[in-house]
Amino acid sequence: NAGVTQTPKFRVLKTGQSMTLLCAQDMNHEYMYWYRQDPGMGLRLIHYSVGEGTTAKGEVPDGYNVSRLKKQNFLLGLESAAPSQTSVYFCASSSWTSGSGADTQYFGPGTRLTVL
Amino acid sequence: TQLLEQSPQFLSIQEGENLTVYCNSSSVFSSLQWYRQEPGEGPVLLVTVVTGGEVKKLKRLTFQFGDARKDSSLHITAAQPGDTGLYLCAGIDYKLSFGAGTTVTVRA
Repeated sequence: NAGVTQTPKFRVLKTGQSMTLLCAQDMNHEYMYWYRQDPGMGLRLIHYSVGEGTTAKGEVPDGYNVSRLKKQNFLLGLESAAPSQTSVYFCASSSWTSGSGADTQYFGPGTRLTVL
Repeated sequence: TQLLEQSPQFLSIQEGENLTVYCNSSSVFSSLQWYRQEPGEGPVLLVTVVTGGEVKKLKRLTFQFGDARKDSSLHITAAQPGDTGLYLCAGIDYKLSFGAGTTVTVRA
């Protein structure tokens, strides 16, 4: 199993350009998440999905859109990139573990995005 | 404002020494997780603690969840260079809220 994969690994954009980050998981997980990680800020949740066809806003959703057309894929879009969106983006997936109230999240390797 | 505060932010120690990382919050969580992240990779789950006062051991790593379920600590005994990484705590309500992390460097 590949687990969680992310495409691309690196990308450089100019201000105003658009792009889509692709996340794929082969663990049949219901839940998928997009985070951004900035120095000294930890991981902040951008958007998440609790199942195919559903999405919800996280802590820092502005400037991003997402889609979950297939259970195994979660796409993150930047319509008009800004320098403030320079960051490392991580996708994660999980299945809710009933009884313990905790879900184990499996992370992809990340996409390093630079917006000039 | 970070919901979870981790301290210290950076920690550099010699191989064989012990270290403790703290994770504190004013909020109560149903459970708390610790992750380790190595450069260029995503975080990997180390442990989940669920019960207030719970102590879990993973080889040389000891995790404690506070009685009030607002704080946690990670203690590493006889640290090794392979323990180097970013340690993140994450509190769970209906989603994860991450702390900013503690960067641990173990020098050989």
